[in-house]
Amino acid sequence: AQSVTQLGSHVSVSEGALVLLRCNYSSSVPPYLFWYVQYPNQGLQLLLKYTTGATLVKGINGFEAEFKKSETSFHLTKPSAHMSDAAEYFCAVSFTGGGNKLTFGTGTQLKVEL
Amino acid sequence: DTEVTQTPKHLVMGMTNKKSLKCEQHMGHRAMYWYKQKAKKPPELMFVYSYEKLSINESVPSRFSPECPNSSLLNLHLHALQPEDSALYLCASSQGDNYQETQYFGPGTRLLVL
Repeated sequence: AQSVTQLGSHVSVSEGALVLLRCNYSSSVPPYLFWYVQYPNQGLQLLLKYTTGATLVKGINGFEAEFKKSETSFHLTKPSAHMSDAAEYFCAVSFTGGGNKLTFGTGTQLKVEL
Repeated sequence: DTEVTQTPKHLVMGMTNKKSLKCEQHMGHRAMYWYKQKAKKPPELMFVYSYEKLSINESVPSRFSPECPNSSLLNLHLHALQPEDSALYLCASSQGDNYQETQYFGPGTRLLVL
């Protein structure tokens, strides 16, 4: 069965530091991978999406993620954290045979400190 | 424009009330979704409409009744809810109904059942 694991339910970084949010997936078929961000009391906003082709995906707000098939990972990074990045981040996967259903990870709460 | 709108933003209802949540998109998307999200948890899929037909019902209790009057509108009718149904209800839409599509989320309706 396909699944998504986000390591670390809470991550805390200093402003200006590197942000690294981890996502590993399990899929017997090539997946499509997504990162969404959710600010307090808001809906989910798409940060970036991996389909096929280039393994380094650039998204909005300076975020990027690298698809590593050998490690079944799709970690999200940002070189320099900003206070406005504090939010909940969800990794999600869809796959052929799964229809249009998204399987979400449990989420990572990012805290940015001065 | 990737906007999905939802009304109302907040809703308080008693267990005997009947209310409806509304979702609208004007992106020409042909798949629309209802999710339920509890605090600190990922969204849980409830229903999917593809080309105005109900394609997925994730064993949701009958006190939740979805309706898709046309390709731009999605309603969720609520009746005799329980306090445990209090949650953020998110609507999403995608261009088509296959696994390659990106789902775009609305801001949600925060529901409190007393």
